[in-house]
Amino acid sequence: GQSLEQPSEVTAVEGAIVQINCTYQTSGFYGLSWYQQHDGGAPTFLSYNALDGLEETGRFSSFLSRSDSYGYLLLQELQMKDSASYFCAVRAGTDSWGKLQFGAGTQVVVTP
Amino acid sequence: DSGVTQTPKHLITATGQRVTLRCSPRSGDLSVYWYQQSLDQGLQFLIHYYNGEERAKGNILERFSAQQFPDLHSELNLSSLELGDSALYFCASSVGRQINEKLFFGSGTQLSVL
Repeated sequence: GQSLEQPSEVTAVEGAIVQINCTYQTSGFYGLSWYQQHDGGAPTFLSYNALDGLEETGRFSSFLSRSDSYGYLLLQELQMKDSASYFCAVRAGTDSWGKLQFGAGTQVVVTP
Repeated sequence: DSGVTQTPKHLITATGQRVTLRCSPRSGDLSVYWYQQSLDQGLQFLIHYYNGEERAKGNILERFSAQQFPDLHSELNLSSLELGDSALYFCASSVGRQINEKLFFGSGTQLSVL
């Protein structure tokens, strides 16, 4: 089967740095994505890693290690608006294009 | 606004009933995905269609079915509804040409089964 593990909640103050880890077990791995979801809202795409290494997009960076089946999302210079749930998602499987499976999500709480 | 339209936004029904959720993807997108999100839960993958054909299937119950029509809109049919089917159902779309495409999510349909 397929599984993704990420912490359920992280709390940090404005301006701080937060790292959300994601470990996965899959067959036929294609890549790791990250999505953000504010309360009551729709998930929105943040990043995608297919190869090992760090991808940087503004204050957010994402890292992947395929050999360790591990990735993380790094949120820098935290702002109040970053309070949201963050989901890692893995596209994997043996059928055509695989399944895009999401983790249970990490609730990030940013305090003043 | 993601460009993905889901209707209705809210649906209240009773156990045993059948409902249809509708999704219109972004203009030009050929792939449509359906996800279920229960309270405090992650997004559970249900099914993926590409240009009218089923591409991948998740743990979708036999009571649930979906299809994508020639105009590319999609419908998710939920029948013999149970209390546990109460959830937020999201549709997402992507162009459908590359496996690493980002998904654009609609605002969801909140289903309440009473």
